Amino acid sequence: SQTIHQWPATLVQPVGSPLSLECTVEGTSNPNLYWYRQAAGRGLQLLFYSVGIGQISSEVPQNLSASRPQDRQFILSSKKLLLSDSGFYLCAWSPTGSGQYFGPGTRLTVT
Amino acid sequence: QKEVEQNSGPLSVPEGAIASLNCTYSDRGSQSFFWYRQYSGKSPELIMSIYSNGDKEDGRFTAQLNKASQYVSLLIRDSQPSDSATYLCAVNGGTYKYIFGTGTRLKVLA
Repeated sequence: SQTIHQWPATLVQPVGSPLSLECTVEGTSNPNLYWYRQAAGRGLQLLFYSVGIGQISSEVPQNLSASRPQDRQFILSSKKLLLSDSGFYLCAWSPTGSGQYFGPGTRLTVT
Repeated sequence: QKEVEQNSGPLSVPEGAIASLNCTYSDRGSQSFFWYRQYSGKSPELIMSIYSNGDKEDGRFTAQLNKASQYVSLLIRDSQPSDSATYLCAVNGGTYKYIFGTGTRLKVLA
């Protein structure tokens, strides 16, 4: 069966500091991978998606970036965090045409 | 702008009753429809997928799709307090992107 991992589970970072969140998927190959952000009490905002190694599509122009260095690894980064970057960051994978399966998420607080 | 609309709730139902959650979408080209359950502080969990008009049943859950009316619903029979959560509707138009509604909060009263 497939498993998706995210770490860390929680993170408190000062404004202006860098960020790196990692997501890995087990038990499948060539998954479609996604990064979402969910602000408190809000819906899911799609940040990035990837359909293959090195292929990244950005949905929201902002100070975040994503990379996919390996087939089942997806990384979300920032060089300088803003207060508005606080939120619940979710990685998800999906087989093409099917629903999405979410990781446990990282709760980021920027202070 | 492609949109998915849900009533934010809360929808309160007594234990044992049927909970009915509704969702409308704007893109007539949408092909796949999904319901997720999200407990407070947790990540969303896929509970139902539906791809063609009509009903699809899985245990206590029934998803209903009406493409002509651009309407998808989720019925939860014999609602339990453990069903209290936010339910997210999502739509896929045949691309890699999914459009999510903001969710309906369900409260099942014991």
